[in-house]
Amino acid sequence: ETGVTQSPTHLIKTRGQQVTLRCSSQSGHNTVSWYQQALGQGPQFIFQYYREEENGRGNFPPRFSGLQFPNYSSELNVNALELDDSALYLCASSPGTTKNTGELFFGEGSRLTVL
Amino acid sequence: SQQGEEDPQALSIQEGENATMNCSYKTSINNLQWYRQNSGRGLVHLILIRSNEREKHSGRLRVTLDTSKKSSSLLITASRAADTASYFCATELSGGYNKLIFGAGTRLAVHP
Repeated sequence: ETGVTQSPTHLIKTRGQQVTLRCSSQSGHNTVSWYQQALGQGPQFIFQYYREEENGRGNFPPRFSGLQFPNYSSELNVNALELDDSALYLCASSPGTTKNTGELFFGEGSRLTVL
Repeated sequence: SQQGEEDPQALSIQEGENATMNCSYKTSINNLQWYRQNSGRGLVHLILIRSNEREKHSGRLRVTLDTSKKSSSLLITASRAADTASYFCATELSGGYNKLIFGAGTRLAVHP
């Protein structure tokens, strides 16, 4: 069983640029959630995708957007990067409702630095 | 905004001692979960307790939940140096399928 994988692991961007982060969900999981974790803080919920549709969003501006593909992999896009966007971005997957235990399965994250 | 607040923010103990971390939250929940994170890497699920449960055990972990006080505690018994990590509580809000709200975490250091 393949776990959640994220790419890239590290990247550096400058203010105003755009970034795309990618996530492959665990085999058999159709729900993907994205979290932002600033240094020294807990993860903050960005949004969740279920069967290719956005299924809930946290308190993040529209320049944070996402996609989920038919194979349930997902992308997080951030436009017009700001210094405060520097963080660890975590992707987590979970199975459909019939198999859901409530647990999230996290990838190792993508560390974004905005200069 | 963060739903859960962990206490203490940092904890330093010797191997073999027990470590207790507390978590408080604000609104009704489906369940409360504890996760572990090693040095800025991905989070690993430790244990989940449902809103109708009061206590749960898993190996050296013991979790309690008091919904009247909106609080939970995580006890790690006989700690090991390998337990050194950050520990986060996360709540799944009522009506919030798999959407977890995390606290700021407790940084645990276990010294040999």
